[in-house]
Amino acid sequence: NAGVTQTPKFQVLKTGQSMTLQCAQDMNHEYMSWYRQDPGMGLRLIHYSVGAGITDQGEVPNGYNVSRSTTEDFPLRLLSAAPSQTSVYFCASRGHAQETQYFGPGTRLLVL
Amino acid sequence: GESVGLHLPTLSVQEGDNSIINCAYSNSASDYFIWYKQESGKGPQFIIDIRSNMDKRQGQRVTVLLNKTVKHLSLQIAATQPGDSAVYFCAENRGTGRRALTFGSGTRLQVQP
Repeated sequence: NAGVTQTPKFQVLKTGQSMTLQCAQDMNHEYMSWYRQDPGMGLRLIHYSVGAGITDQGEVPNGYNVSRSTTEDFPLRLLSAAPSQTSVYFCASRGHAQETQYFGPGTRLLVL
Repeated sequence: GESVGLHLPTLSVQEGDNSIINCAYSNSASDYFIWYKQESGKGPQFIIDIRSNMDKRQGQRVTVLLNKTVKHLSLQIAATQPGDSAVYFCAENRGTGRRALTFGSGTRLQVQP
């Protein structure tokens, strides 16, 4: 198993540009989540999904959209990037009978 | 609002010593807690977890203690090694209906050789 994978590893955007951060897991996990991590801070929940076709907002959802068309994939979309979205983004997943979340390696995003 | 937080932002210890990292939480509905280790440039890595019906759990060189009376969680690392240098986060699962974790701000552990 590759676990949780994220692409790209690093991205630079200009203000107003859009992009999609990809996340995939091959563990057949029902639950997937997106977090952002800012310098000196813990991870903050953006959006999460409890299964294909079901998504919900976390603590800091503004400026981000998600969809869950398959169990494996949970992309995060930035429709109009802002400098405040400069951060490191982590995707995580866990199985229904598990509590432990497994994290991807992260995507470092810089918005100029 | 209710949150998970940490007492010490940086902890420096000598190699071979025991380390104790503390965490306070304020949500009495939280029923599950996890400690994660994050090395530079990597995602958080699971270390150990504990449910609210327990007060202690041991792993390999690590022990988590939960004091529900004062809403306090600690991670003890025995015989700390240079490879333990990282940022450590505690996280809580706030029970029914909550499918993701709430994280504290982290403690950096520096192990001096």
